[in-house]
Amino acid sequence: DGGITQSPKYLFRKEGQNVTLSCEQNLNHDAMYWYRQDPGQGLRLIYYSQIVNDFQKGDIAEGYSVSREKKESFPLTVTSAQKNPTAFYLCASSIVPGTAPYEQYFGPGTRLTVT
Amino acid sequence: GESVGLHLPTLSVQEGDNSIINCAYSNSASDYFIWYKQESGKGPQFIIDIRSNMDKRQGQRVTVLLNKTVKHLSLQIAATQPGDSAVYFCAEHGEDTGNQFYFGTGTSLTVIP
Repeated sequence: DGGITQSPKYLFRKEGQNVTLSCEQNLNHDAMYWYRQDPGQGLRLIYYSQIVNDFQKGDIAEGYSVSREKKESFPLTVTSAQKNPTAFYLCASSIVPGTAPYEQYFGPGTRLTVT
Repeated sequence: GESVGLHLPTLSVQEGDNSIINCAYSNSASDYFIWYKQESGKGPQFIIDIRSNMDKRQGQRVTVLLNKTVKHLSLQIAATQPGDSAVYFCAEHGEDTGNQFYFGTGTSLTVIP
C-alpha cells in the first residue's frame, strides 16, 4: 500500500517537554510538508522540504524544528518554545512543483495535547 | 462559504439531493485549486482539482466550478450520500506563493438519511 503514515495518532506531553512527531511516505515524493490545524482555522504551514537535507520555514515555524535525512521521512519536533502546541498536526507530500503545482497527499494526522 | 472563525459554516442536505459548497479565495494570482474532504479525526482526502485555465472540471459525482472574475470556487456533489458527511475545504496555490498552498476553514456537510 502506498501512502503517508504518521505516528502516534494521539500524543500527550507535559509542558516544557520536547516531542517528535513521525511522518513516513512511500510514494517516492520529493516534497514533504507539516501543517497545523486548529478548530475553525485553515491549515497553516509549519515547515516544508523539497529535497533531502534541505527545508524551509512556513508561516508558523517558531517553536518547531524538522530534519530531512531520508527522502521517506520528515519528523517534526515541537519544542518547549512553542507557546501553544496543542493541535492536530498533519504531514503531507507531493511531487516537487515544477512549472505547475501538484496536489498534496495527507497523512492521518497526530493529535498532540500538552498540559 | 468559508470564513475564519471558531464555528464552521454548515450545510445540511437530504440524502439523494445535490450539494453545493462554496469557497471565496483571495489571491487573483492563484493558478491552481484543490477541494479536500476531511472526516472527523482524519487527514484531508483529495477530491478534485482545477487549474486556472479551466472553469469547470468533473469527476465521479463531483464537479468543481471556478469563476476567476469574482474569485469564487464551488464544489457540487451529485446525489449526496451519508458517506459524504464531512468537512470540505478548498486550497489555493498562487503563482506568487512559491510552493505554498493556502487553505480555507471549511464547510461542514451533514447528509440526512
